Amino acid sequence: AQSVTQLGSHVSVSEGALVLLRCNYSSSVPPYLFWYVQYPNQGLQLLLKYTTGATLVKGINGFEAEFKKSETSFHLTKPSAHMSDAAEYFCAVTHDLGGGATNKLIFGTGTLLAVQP
Amino acid sequence: SAVISQKPSRDICQRGTSLTIQCQVDSQVTMMFWYRQQPGQSLTLIATANQGSEATYESGFVIDKFPISRPNLTFSTLTVSNMSPEDSSIYLCSVVKSGELFFGEGSRLTVL
Repeated sequence: AQSVTQLGSHVSVSEGALVLLRCNYSSSVPPYLFWYVQYPNQGLQLLLKYTTGATLVKGINGFEAEFKKSETSFHLTKPSAHMSDAAEYFCAVTHDLGGGATNKLIFGTGTLLAVQP
Repeated sequence: SAVISQKPSRDICQRGTSLTIQCQVDSQVTMMFWYRQQPGQSLTLIATANQGSEATYESGFVIDKFPISRPNLTFSTLTVSNMSPEDSSIYLCSVVKSGELFFGEGSRLTVL
């Protein structure tokens, strides 16, 4: 069975500071890993994903994440926070992207990022 | 990419009533997924809907409570039946397209 753990339900950073949102996964097969962002009253937007290949993945809005198999982690980072980054961030895992019934994502409980001026 | 439209975007409902949420995709997809996001919580998969067959429900979700239709490859509906305040959630439709999952903007239901 797969699972995702996001450490820290609330994270607060100052504008310009490093953003680090933690995600650890559990999977018995090679995982596909995702980070989604949800702005208030909006749907989910894909930030970035890891499927295969390079373990450092760059996404939109300056975010990146590194897949570390030995640590079963996929932490999300951004060097310098902006006020517009304030949102809820979800880490998710699946093991199949082929369009079949196993495509269901397992989501973490989310991390609410606050950016202080 | 895939563009997903959900209706209604939000609604306020009375206890004991039922509401049907529609999901329209701009291209044909094999599977459609329905998720629930309860207040302050993460997303939980309700069921997977395949065109031409009955939906497959996750543990804790049953067809009588959440009947799903999938009449064609671009459309699906989720009904929340006999609603109670505990059903107040955001319900999201999702599809896989070219190896990526896309989500609708969600339908925010408040049950009084």
